[in-house]
Amino acid sequence: TQLLEQSPQFLSIQEGENLTVYCNSSSVFSSLQWYRQEPGEGPVLLVTVVTGGEVKKLKRLTFQFGDARKDSSLHITAAQPGDTGLYLCAGVRTGNQFYFGTGTSLTVIP
Amino acid sequence: EAQVTQNPRYLITVTGKKLTVTCSQNMNHEYMSWYRQDPGLGLRQIYYSMNVEVTDKGDVPEGYKVSRKEKRNFPLILESPSPNQTSLYFCASSVRGRGYGYTFGSGTRLTVV
Repeated sequence: TQLLEQSPQFLSIQEGENLTVYCNSSSVFSSLQWYRQEPGEGPVLLVTVVTGGEVKKLKRLTFQFGDARKDSSLHITAAQPGDTGLYLCAGVRTGNQFYFGTGTSLTVIP
Repeated sequence: EAQVTQNPRYLITVTGKKLTVTCSQNMNHEYMSWYRQDPGLGLRQIYYSMNVEVTDKGDVPEGYKVSRKEKRNFPLILESPSPNQTSLYFCASSVRGRGYGYTFGSGTRLTVV
């Protein structure tokens, strides 16, 4: 059983559309991170959120940490083909223990 | 450039032949970790290290060994590889503390035949 569940698992959209990816858990985390991974490469950190209710924006990407620090969402506005990749959330608990979500594979069609 | 370097990138080996995957980071990070990534199973932690000479098991440690004799190096050892260890392996490092994320290496694709 995964500690962090991501949805949807797969997402294929047209360029210019908006999308939201969810990362849910029944556990509380001290912080939560989002990564993007391209085929054959290691995940690359996009953002870390540490405060319940926190919202961070990175150009067209908006990240939100739930008030109870159990869940998070990633919203992409006007998706571009360069956004294609595997998006992973990771929750951090005490002692630097990282727990990765199951991943969302995003394809943006030109 | 701040990075985590893994070697080799690709490795094909035979069952039972001991191998080592090296990992080195140049960021003076205390925390290092090994993961394997398999389709449908996501990233699973094998071993991690909080600092020099401090290592602990992750979720899937069976069949693997690690050592942390220096802060920058964290090699992964497969004493007797088996086909079920065929996978994509990642080394990662981080500063300790809740606001910090991982820097990952580029991965090692291992095939055991």
